[in-house]
Amino acid sequence: GAGVSQTPSNKVTEKGKYVELRCDPISGHTALYWYRQSLGQGPEFLIYFQGTGAADDSGLPNDRFFAVRPEGSVSTLKIQRTERGDSAVYLCASSFGTGGITEAFFGQGTRLTVV
Amino acid sequence: AQKVTQAQTEISVVEKEDVTLDCVYETRDTTYYLFWYKQPPSGELVFLIRRNSFDEQNEISGRYSWNFQKSTSSFNFTITASQVVDSAVYFCALSEAGYGGSQGNLIFGKGTKLSVKP
Repeated sequence: GAGVSQTPSNKVTEKGKYVELRCDPISGHTALYWYRQSLGQGPEFLIYFQGTGAADDSGLPNDRFFAVRPEGSVSTLKIQRTERGDSAVYLCASSFGTGGITEAFFGQGTRLTVV
Repeated sequence: AQKVTQAQTEISVVEKEDVTLDCVYETRDTTYYLFWYKQPPSGELVFLIRRNSFDEQNEISGRYSWNFQKSTSSFNFTITASQVVDSAVYFCALSEAGYGGSQGNLIFGKGTKLSVKP
């Protein structure tokens, strides 16, 4: 597609439920990033994929968060046993080339609300 | 530790005024990259500029200009003759290269909300 696509755009879930957030990167982009943005804050890094593998997952807050990118394109961010503190906008970005230093293009995000 | 500080939380100007958004960063790396992103109300982050630590030349792109000064660890952003369409939240970000797992991830400041009134 023309840009990074994230689905759903909005997700409301109950505390304790499992959710999956999807990211379709720009075609041909090898690097993919997940960020989380809380209200009034800058985005916070979660995980970075280079191809199919997680090159850096140091930003995942705990073991309830997991992300996959099995074929090197689409990625899914999975959150188990959701908590109210997980409420945020989850942003995905992709970039062309290795190392992640090139320009990253962001999607419009998925707004997750845990009630 | 890496850190990006945007001390101005909100700025309000009248159209055609010039405005400067401040960014101060901290890093122990000698090789790093600095970015500015714009986040309009739609929520999508829009890339504006990337600058590496070895290039201190100022840059101008239309009404936008950037002033990078390593001596003060600052990377300030100026909009000349602001327009209503410039209203957005602007983020400064830092990326360290070649430092283990942190390569490629961006450390963002908290952003500056710019309101340009007609």
